[in-house]
Amino acid sequence: GPKVLQIPSHQIIDMGQMVTLNCDPVSNHLYFYWYKQILGQQMEFLVNFYNGKVMEKSKLFKDQFSVERPDGSYFTLKIQPTALEDSAVYFCASRPGRRSQNTLYFGAGTRLSVL
Amino acid sequence: GDSVTQKEGLVTLTEGLPVMLNCTYQTIYSNAFLFWYVHYLNESPRLLLKSSTDNKRTEHQGFHATLHKSSSSFHLQKSSAQLSDSALYYCALSGGNEKITFGAGTKLTIKP
Repeated sequence: GPKVLQIPSHQIIDMGQMVTLNCDPVSNHLYFYWYKQILGQQMEFLVNFYNGKVMEKSKLFKDQFSVERPDGSYFTLKIQPTALEDSAVYFCASRPGRRSQNTLYFGAGTRLSVL
Repeated sequence: GDSVTQKEGLVTLTEGLPVMLNCTYQTIYSNAFLFWYVHYLNESPRLLLKSSTDNKRTEHQGFHATLHKSSSSFHLQKSSAQLSDSALYYCALSGGNEKITFGAGTKLTIKP
């Protein structure tokens, strides 16, 4: 089936540094999402993105977070600066377009460890 | 806003017994979609089944669920559990906007 790739699978950084998580969504998809899962907890919505713009974001999407997809390349989540509480697995997902095509296709996640 | 409740965090069953994972939801949108996603260890979460039609049974890979709008429920069932069903199961909701809200998840463990 369609694949969403997330690079890297694990990233370790020092608190205060910048990190960029990369997502290669399914090629013809139009909507992109990031979810955050702290160990042992549920997957929580961060943000969705369509046509070059953030459509919705949650309270978890702090000012230090930003997303973009320049020129149809990777869909990225940037955190600058990072904090200890940003340690989590971040899942990227994409879906085709119309509301009837609302199945999300997920990547395997990037585990972010902030030291 | 939208919410999804999965009361059971952990469910442990013996192989061959029936499975039922509970999901209830809240939304103001009458045409909401409900989903079940399954997340196997070291894999990506993936769709198991979905529905937006009231009182219609939806089936896939031996699992089934029926959306009941009157009780705001979308419970996942299987008649006979297999060892390979051990995974994390998420119920999710798509209301009238583009946000898709997930429940807390139920970890299903099947023992021999």
